Amino acid sequence: KNQVEQSPQSLIILEGKNCTLQCNYTVSPFSNLRWYKQDTGRGPVSLTIMTFSENTKSNGRYTATLDADTKQSSLHITASQLSDSASYICVVSARGGYNKLIFGAGTRLAVHP
Amino acid sequence: EPEVTQTPSHQVTQMGQEVILRCVPISNHLYFYWYRQILGQKVEFLVSFYNNEISEKSEIFDDQFSVERPDGSNFTLKIRSTKLEDSAMYFCASSPVFPGTATPNTEAFFGQGTRLTVV
Repeated sequence: KNQVEQSPQSLIILEGKNCTLQCNYTVSPFSNLRWYKQDTGRGPVSLTIMTFSENTKSNGRYTATLDADTKQSSLHITASQLSDSASYICVVSARGGYNKLIFGAGTRLAVHP
Repeated sequence: EPEVTQTPSHQVTQMGQEVILRCVPISNHLYFYWYRQILGQKVEFLVSFYNNEISEKSEIFDDQFSVERPDGSNFTLKIRSTKLEDSAMYFCASSPVFPGTATPNTEAFFGQGTRLTVV
């Protein structure tokens, strides 16, 4: 069964600190993996998209990594800001399933001053 | 910056009533989607739509659901006879296609969602 699992479920960090969020997936055949940021009550906003041939991709203070062999991904946030408080969702697309996205449950990040 | 817009932002309806959720995708996009998120749960795929027909749907998308592109700009999700368990946030999304193909670009842009509450 195609699944996406994320850890931790929630995380509290102080402003200015770094953090890393984890994602494991069992989607096959794999097409691409995305990280989305979702503010409470809003739609998901894309941060990064990686195909199986990409190991890392950055978007400002966000850096995503992908290991297609172990089916793991991480999202690293550097120098966190209060506005980074949100849910971060790992989303995987299967090949041929055009944007039939499989969502993880998300990691709820709270950045405190 | 172009965005997907959804109306209404919040809809309250009585069980058994029909509801129509509306979406205006980004203007040059050709693939459209509906997703839903029950409170506290994961976002789930409902349906994808291309060239005026459903291209893929999930097992959630049963006979009580239908989608339509009634004109050149709107994309709607109709729920015929709402149940309490239909209460959720419904997200519309759209994608462009790769030039010269019918294959959707990997990027999907989401709207802000419509919160449906069935009472």
